[in-house]
Amino acid sequence: NAGVTQTPKFQVLKTGQSMTLQCAQDMNHNSMYWYRQDPGMGLRLIYYSASEGTTDKGEVPNGYNVSRLNKREFSLRLESAAPSQTSVYFCATRTGTSPQHFGDGTRLSIL
Amino acid sequence: DQQVKQNSPSLSVQEGRISILNCDYTNSMFDYFLWYKKYPAEGPTFLISISSIKDKNEDGRFTVFLNKSAKHLSLHIVPSQPGDSAVYFCAARGIQGAQKLVFGQGTRLTINP
Repeated sequence: NAGVTQTPKFQVLKTGQSMTLQCAQDMNHNSMYWYRQDPGMGLRLIYYSASEGTTDKGEVPNGYNVSRLNKREFSLRLESAAPSQTSVYFCATRTGTSPQHFGDGTRLSIL
Repeated sequence: DQQVKQNSPSLSVQEGRISILNCDYTNSMFDYFLWYKKYPAEGPTFLISISSIKDKNEDGRFTVFLNKSAKHLSLHIVPSQPGDSAVYFCAARGIQGAQKLVFGQGTRLTINP
């Protein structure tokens, strides 16, 4: 089925550990996005990539890095995880003027 | 500062009645508004949108109304069904930041039988 696939679905980390959240899409969309969702905060944009080879900061980029590996894949890296980064992370894609299409999320807990 | 606000964290409606979800925004540069629906353990899914050149958009049981002077939009669901129980997010996009969506906090809608 066409869509946005996020891996892993769940992860528990210790403070200071690093990890990469993966996002892959088979919708041939140009733009890809990373959001975090926290209780009472809605979704906040971390980074986005308007097209292959470009990335830009969103609203809350501190503590994160991204890589647009190719048109299909957009990864989010936490170099040194902190408890404040405990959240649900969503990847989304878009092309043209279409609405953003979301994956099912990665639930990340940092102890 | 929260540019898009959904002031009701939750709403409970009887099956068959109308559900009205509200959203306010502060940035007059927003020109396109969307509603997303989210079930637990799933990503948000697009529901309906409206451009700032319109004041109403309808799609089946779902209608979105936009009042630009009040910087307010609302989502009406008629009639409400049990499957409509979910969290609803409104989101806004501006011309200059067309890549970026700004989301409200969400409203949890519960439809009671």
